[in-house]
Amino acid sequence: AQSVTQPDIHITVSEGASLELRCNYSYGATPYLFWYVQSPGQGLQLLLKYFSGDTLVQGIKGFEAEFKRSQSSFNLRKPSVHWSDAAEYFCAVGASLSGNQFYFGTGTSLTVIP
Amino acid sequence: DADVTQTPRNRITKTGKRIMLECSQTKGHDRMYWYRQDPGLGLRLIYYSFDVKDINKGEISDGYSVSRQAQAKFSLSLESAIPNQTALYFCATSDPGTGGGYTFGSGTRLTVV
Repeated sequence: AQSVTQPDIHITVSEGASLELRCNYSYGATPYLFWYVQSPGQGLQLLLKYFSGDTLVQGIKGFEAEFKRSQSSFNLRKPSVHWSDAAEYFCAVGASLSGNQFYFGTGTSLTVIP
Repeated sequence: DADVTQTPRNRITKTGKRIMLECSQTKGHDRMYWYRQDPGLGLRLIYYSFDVKDINKGEISDGYSVSRQAQAKFSLSLESAIPNQTALYFCATSDPGTGGGYTFGSGTRLTVV
């Protein structure tokens, strides 16, 4: 069965500092991987996705993520965090684009301090 | 207009009442989903539909029902609401042919008292 683990429930970083949010997945084949962001009171917005090819993918808002098959990870990174990045971040995994659903992690809440 | 619109945005209802949450999308996608979000549990799938004649249960469908009235409309009903159905509910749509990923609505915050 597929599953997603986000080990960090909450992370606090200073504005301008770098950020890495961890995501580990469990799936036998090559998964379809996603990162979403949820701002307070809003729905989830797709940041980036990985299907195949280059293991470093670029997304919106200056985010990137790297797929590491050997570590079953898909960590999200940003070189310099802005106060507006404070939000909740969800990693998701799916077996295929035509599969039933995608499985979501429990989320990581990001606080940005001045 | 938003790609995925959910109504109402907020709702307080009493235990035992029937309530319907509505979702409409303008993306033209066949696939639609209902998720609930609870603190610390992430998003869990309630029901999904791959076209108007296709309805499938997700991992937590007990106590819920759905109706796919048209390609663009997918409603979720709680036949007899109970307090542990208090949650944030999201509708989403997807199109595998355009690269996957979900487009979410803004959510409905439901409180059952």
